[in-house]
Amino acid sequence: AQTVTQSQPEMSVQEAETVTLSCTYDTSENNYYLFWYKQPPSRQMILVIRQEAYKQQNATENRFSVNFQKAAKSFSLKISDSQLGDTAMYFCAFMKLYGGSQGNLIFGKGTKLSVKP
Amino acid sequence: NAGVTQTPKFRVLKTGQSMTLLCAQDMNHEYMYWYRQDPGMGLRLIHYSVGEGTTAKGEVPDGYNVSRLKKQNFLLGLESAAPSQTSVYFCAILDLAKNIQYFGAGTRLSVL
Repeated sequence: AQTVTQSQPEMSVQEAETVTLSCTYDTSENNYYLFWYKQPPSRQMILVIRQEAYKQQNATENRFSVNFQKAAKSFSLKISDSQLGDTAMYFCAFMKLYGGSQGNLIFGKGTKLSVKP
Repeated sequence: NAGVTQTPKFRVLKTGQSMTLLCAQDMNHEYMYWYRQDPGMGLRLIHYSVGEGTTAKGEVPDGYNVSRLKKQNFLLGLESAAPSQTSVYFCAILDLAKNIQYFGAGTRLSVL
């Protein structure tokens, strides 16, 4: 079974600075995707970024980038130039691509990020 | 919300009452999911469906039933609500072309 661990329950960062959220996972699969979702106070689940395990290159989306270390099973999220609107819960998630339970998401417990003015 | 609509948005039940949550999609996705979110627990999968007429159990299925009679709709039922089912419930669809799940806005359920 797959597990996803987010070891930082809460973090804070000053506006305009950079913050890194950690995520580790455990799997015996070789083909999978990893995701970061953002959940602001509105409760909506918003996809931030996605990484395909077979790709060596780290995914980036504007101010958001990941550091994907497949051998170490690590998938951290870096937020650059933090903005007040980045204040939210952030969830790391794993998706298996083949076999039983393919397409299902396994979530970590989340990191609550506060961006301070 | 990628065309995923959940109704109702809020509900308060008494212990033992029953209710059905509706998830509707305006696309043609095969895969649909129901999750619950509890404080400090992240999202956990209750049941899912890989197509019309099919359902399967997820991580925490006890106390819930589901049906997928029409491709566009995925229903989550609580036959006899318990306080332990107080939670926020999310529905999601899987865009197979992108391998991305998109979520509805959630339903906050309180069982007294």
